Amino acid sequence: SQQGEEDPQALSIQEGENATMNCSYKTSINNLQWYRQNSGRGLVHLILIRSNEREKHSGRLRVTLDTSKKSSSLLITASRAADTASYFCATDPIQGAQKLVFGQGTRLTINP
Amino acid sequence: KAGVTQTPRYLIKTRGQQVTLSCSPISGHRSVSWYQQTPGQGLQFLFEYFSETQRNKGNFPGRFSGRQFSNSRSEMNVSTLELGDSALYLCASSDLAEDEQFFGPGTRLTVL
Repeated sequence: SQQGEEDPQALSIQEGENATMNCSYKTSINNLQWYRQNSGRGLVHLILIRSNEREKHSGRLRVTLDTSKKSSSLLITASRAADTASYFCATDPIQGAQKLVFGQGTRLTINP
Repeated sequence: KAGVTQTPRYLIKTRGQQVTLSCSPISGHRSVSWYQQTPGQGLQFLFEYFSETQRNKGNFPGRFSGRQFSNSRSEMNVSTLELGDSALYLCASSDLAEDEQFFGPGTRLTVL
């Protein structure tokens, strides 16, 4: 079963705008990771944030984590057409047999 | 370093057959995890192997099995294929010192 729920399921914006995706999860975690997937291909790791961190930046990416609300957000600034992809959050739960538990993903479309 | 490789990339089988998928991790990575991705269920964890031992297992029937060899290469086997086994099967490797997982391009399995 999926631990994470992502919001929105689909997002369409103009090139140059910022894109924000949200992720909620259910259990206590060691870390939360964001991945990108292009058209049913393999996943590309974007950023990892640990449970004791609140915010992390990597290039045009900004991730926040609120463990009290069990939620995270991914912000992509100054979006480009090449950012068009599906974005998944994945949690590394403290307990349980799962390695990573993925959300359903957000399909992001950047319009030129 | 070469990335994670998976073979074959595409596979077509019929119900009742069995299939074996292969994954070669990044050199030096000893942890290999397998995931199934379908439109309906999303990304679901199958199992993780480390040093030839299964460390974690997801909620899949016994028809799904795997193994890891001494060179860290891993195989997963699905016996008595069902239509619902049609999916993209993703393999990921990681260095246990890090939490980031590196995914291969996947094997697209179609069961007719």
